[in-house]
Amino acid sequence: QKEVEQNSGPLSVPEGAIASLNCTYSDRGSQSFFWYRQYSGKSPELIMFIYSNGDKEDGRFTAQLNKASQYVSLLIRDSQPSDSATYLCAVKTSYDKVIFGPGTSLSVIP
Amino acid sequence: DAGVIQSPRHEVTEMGQEVTLRCKPISGHDYLFWYRQTMMRGLELLIYFNNNVPIDDSGMPEDRFSAKMPNASFSTLKIQPSEPRDSAVYFCASSFSGYQETQYFGPGTRLLVL
Repeated sequence: QKEVEQNSGPLSVPEGAIASLNCTYSDRGSQSFFWYRQYSGKSPELIMFIYSNGDKEDGRFTAQLNKASQYVSLLIRDSQPSDSATYLCAVKTSYDKVIFGPGTSLSVIP
Repeated sequence: DAGVIQSPRHEVTEMGQEVTLRCKPISGHDYLFWYRQTMMRGLELLIYFNNNVPIDDSGMPEDRFSAKMPNASFSTLKIQPSEPRDSAVYFCASSFSGYQETQYFGPGTRLLVL
């Protein structure tokens, strides 16, 4: 089992819809959770991080963490074509290492 | 701040040649990371430093790879000898331990080994 797993996609949603991206992790002692966005040919950039159970909202983005079930999700409301990118989930494990998932490709259709 | 700076941005070399990638982290950041990204394997952590000291190099694929951080503002990743399977995008990232360990990535070096 890989340490951090994501559906590779591509995930296609119409403009204005909610995009839901999911990530599961294997290390139950993981501490911090990050979502990065990577446009084609560019470097990853942080969108959000979440440290404790529950939801965290920042504009159109909401990160949800469920430690009991070991998954993290990212919701993008009112999706825009500019949101089309690969979204990388990253997890800081109990042994102090940040592991990136393979990423989910999102395409927002105008 | 200029962000993380990497050079060169593109490198084309022949198998067997030595390749040196360079990175300047964001001033004040005490962590520096080297990653490799390919379509097949995704984003892989190669090595990271804290206060210029290598902490975890378990991701370095083999002895052909080496990394140094002689001071807080400079790091190198060297591949000697290079092989075609080393072709990838190499990212350097830095972070400040006092701010949730968010990593800031450089623009990457696209390496092609022929």
